[in-house]
Amino acid sequence: KNEVEQSPQNLTAQEGEFITINCSYSVGISALHWLQQHPGGGIVSLFMLSSGKKKHGRLIATINIQEKHSSLHITASHPRDSAVYICAVILNYGGSQGNLIFGKGTKLSVKP
Amino acid sequence: DVKVTQSSRYLVKRTGEKVFLECVQDMDHENMFWYRQDPGLGLRLIYFSYDVKMKEKGDIPEGYSVSREKKERFSLILESASTNQTSMYLCASREPGLALYEQYFGPGTRLTVT
Repeated sequence: KNEVEQSPQNLTAQEGEFITINCSYSVGISALHWLQQHPGGGIVSLFMLSSGKKKHGRLIATINIQEKHSSLHITASHPRDSAVYICAVILNYGGSQGNLIFGKGTKLSVKP
Repeated sequence: DVKVTQSSRYLVKRTGEKVFLECVQDMDHENMFWYRQDPGLGLRLIYFSYDVKMKEKGDIPEGYSVSREKKERFSLILESASTNQTSMYLCASREPGLALYEQYFGPGTRLTVT
């Protein structure tokens, strides 16, 4: 079983829709990242969370440490939001060197 | 702005060739990483380095080696390329210390081994 599970794997939305991508993990973590990868490959970090909620523009990320779950929300989605969204966790023990464990990604396509 | 660059965006090599993938970062980061990304499998860690000349195996080191002679440069070496090494390769760097420092990724190298 993967330690980090994302759902859905693929998501198609119409422009303007509210989008939610979910991430569940089975291990103790010290923080969680949401990453965005556009076609062509480059990955950028959207959020890093260890508790609560963060907002940046139309993007909102939440985390519930007790339930081992995080969500990424996109309000008023736009075709330029089309990308792969990746959840990655940092284990909370020192031996991991703080390395990331990745989910398999959610491919989002927003149609005009 | 942190910049992580990779030597090639696309590379085509033949089976058995020795392949070098280069990664350079300009932020004096101590930690550097090599990942491969495959459809349905996500990103998997091949090797990482936490200092010059220091390296640690990741989850899938077989068939790969690395070199870190200078702090800014981390090279991934495929000693004898095979078709199952066709993949997207991503390099990343990060400040040292656990947990809360984000990783900065390069643009990726899409390697095809024929």
